Amino acid sequence: EVQLVESGGGLVQPGGSLRLSCAVYGFTFRTYWMSWVRQAPGKGLEWVANIKADGTEEYYVDSVKGRFTVSRDNAKNSLYLQMNSLRAEDTAVYYCARDVLVGFWSGYSDTWGQGTLVTVSS
Amino acid sequence: EIVMTQSPATLSVSPGQRATLSCRASRSISSNLAWYQQKPGQAPRLLIYAASSRATGIPARFSGSGSGTDFNLTISSLQSDDLAVYYCQHYHNWPPFTFGPGTNVDIK
Repeated sequence: EVQLVESGGGLVQPGGSLRLSCAVYGFTFRTYWMSWVRQAPGKGLEWVANIKADGTEEYYVDSVKGRFTVSRDNAKNSLYLQMNSLRAEDTAVYYCARDVLVGFWSGYSDTWGQGTLVTVSS
Repeated sequence: EIVMTQSPATLSVSPGQRATLSCRASRSISSNLAWYQQKPGQAPRLLIYAASSRATGIPARFSGSGSGTDFNLTISSLQSDDLAVYYCQHYHNWPPFTFGPGTNVDIK
């Protein structure tokens, strides 16, 4: 069964750091682009970042550029999101998602984890 | 950045009736559009990709249409289990991928 399991969320002070993890099961992780998508409380979905299957390319929404870093360990079937200089507006449930290739590029997300809550507050 | 809009914000439909949700892109995205369903307290679930292709395991009552800038998601005969927020998302000329603000479907 294809499964994505996020962990690492919690309460952090503004300016602090947090590292999210996503463990994947049931598919060949090293062949898929992967994304992080977040959802602030009571709000809609916002794409945050994605990373190519081999880890050689990564992309970010402008609001997190320079603060967040997406990475992966294909040997450990794991995806990560390192979040630094956190702000109150980063408070959200963070989902990892598996992306389907459209042509040579990442497209839509066909499988999602259950999410992990990050709260940035003093 | 491509901006996605959705209408209406909320749709109240009686069981068995048809529901039509709209999504518009700020410029042409060809057919590079997906629809997701998010039930309360759950993660999003892929319903439709490539504007009109149903994802694996999605009931036939869900259908997508459109291309370019205007798209629709139709639920042909609404069931109580379809209570959810529905989001459209483009995957054309990213980054960034962007989602619409969602349509909240509730059961009348």
